[in-house]
Amino acid sequence: QSALTQPASVSGSPGQSITISCTGTSSDVGGYNYVSWYQQHPGKAPKLMIYEVSNRPSGVPDRFSGSKSGNTASLTISGLQAEDEADYYCSSYTSSSTVVFGGGTKLTVL
Amino acid sequence: QITLKESGPTLVKPTQTLTLTCTFSGFSLSTSGVGVGWIRQPPGKALEWLALIYWDDDKRYSPSLKSRLTITKDTSKNQVVLTMTNMDPVDTATYYCAHSSVAAAVFDYWGQGTLVTVSS
Repeated sequence: QSALTQPASVSGSPGQSITISCTGTSSDVGGYNYVSWYQQHPGKAPKLMIYEVSNRPSGVPDRFSGSKSGNTASLTISGLQAEDEADYYCSSYTSSSTVVFGGGTKLTVL
Repeated sequence: QITLKESGPTLVKPTQTLTLTCTFSGFSLSTSGVGVGWIRQPPGKALEWLALIYWDDDKRYSPSLKSRLTITKDTSKNQVVLTMTNMDPVDTATYYCAHSSVAAAVFDYWGQGTLVTVSS
């Protein structure tokens, strides 16, 4: 299985909105509504931000939202804040009942 | 609350077998729907999923590493063990264990990670 494709980096100013894409295939992203997004600050463990494409765990701000169209999932962060600067990873369940992660996206808040 | 902690050697030699233990609390691996997975991250690189074991002892492995990995659980000790054979310097990474139950292949609680260096 190949890693899901994410842009290496995105940036935005405080208050703006940004979107991170995550492209897979019909055997993973496109085939199931089991896409998750994780936030990772330097030196820290990843934190679950979105699961099942668009569901937020308790405690995650509603500025974070997820969606999917075909083989591409997206994470949108609105009202960007300095604390949102981090690496973001998508993941998906696959047709082999395994898990695949994306290559990660570095978000810079200007 | 749910907590997980990884333990094992910080340094292994090439060709050796790595054994990592994930000790957890706050949940039982005998509860329907619950799983524990292992994910690693080489320095400065992306997350890579390795393996996942479920409450019913169903086991899943990364296709690219399947021949080298074994995941087991000890429900009475609240532990999950991952072994990886024939270690190579490219396996140098922080290894995380994580809890899964909210949905398929979703990791909602993570350990702090343990850095394993492969060097002679």
